[in-house]
Amino acid sequence: GAVVSQHPSRVICKSGTSVKIECRSLDFQATTMFWYRQFPKQSLMLMATSNEGSKATYEQGVEKDKFLINHASLTLSTLTVASAHPEDSSFYICSAGGTNEKLFFGSGTQLSVL
Amino acid sequence: LAKTTQPISMDSYEGQEVNITCSHNNIATNDYITWYQQFPSQGPRFIIQGYKTKVTNEVASLFIPADRKSSTLSLPRVSLSDTAVYYCLVGDGNNAGNMLTFGGGTRLMVKP
Repeated sequence: GAVVSQHPSRVICKSGTSVKIECRSLDFQATTMFWYRQFPKQSLMLMATSNEGSKATYEQGVEKDKFLINHASLTLSTLTVASAHPEDSSFYICSAGGTNEKLFFGSGTQLSVL
Repeated sequence: LAKTTQPISMDSYEGQEVNITCSHNNIATNDYITWYQQFPSQGPRFIIQGYKTKVTNEVASLFIPADRKSSTLSLPRVSLSDTAVYYCLVGDGNNAGNMLTFGGGTRLMVKP
């Protein structure tokens, strides 16, 4: 099946650091990718939709200046958490659509901000 | 987007069949039903998808009644490794981007 690769799997950083997370579709082209965040014991919450070659679409309540999304190619989307603070600590997951309306998810990135 | 409702948690024992039901009363004509499995600290993994009646693959079956207002994921003979959270999603089958809203999911605990 289709594979979505997400890197890094874990980040521990100091408050004020910017963190970049990469999401790659390995064997298919993805004009659209999605970014979620997940807190412990909770469900996934959609943050934004990443569109290749254009601006991302953010869900209500998600700060565009805090969570910077770049989708420069058909196989790569990046999420940058700008000036991360402890409250940004979470599990971030990307996904991309494959065939037949199925979503393929990355393995997730655990961000811990000290 | 159709909202989904699932039991928060379920317990089972190894070797048993597990059925998890999802309610989606507001499902639209073009909506598909998709189930995902998520292990701790991992992204969700696609299990099965259907539109109506019954779908079966190597890991699960999906039963959808005629009114499509609910669906049941059936896991035959579960093992300890099936302990995970299972999510039911409903959305427009013409656009993967419409299948984005995760409900609370069902936390399945399989005991020895």
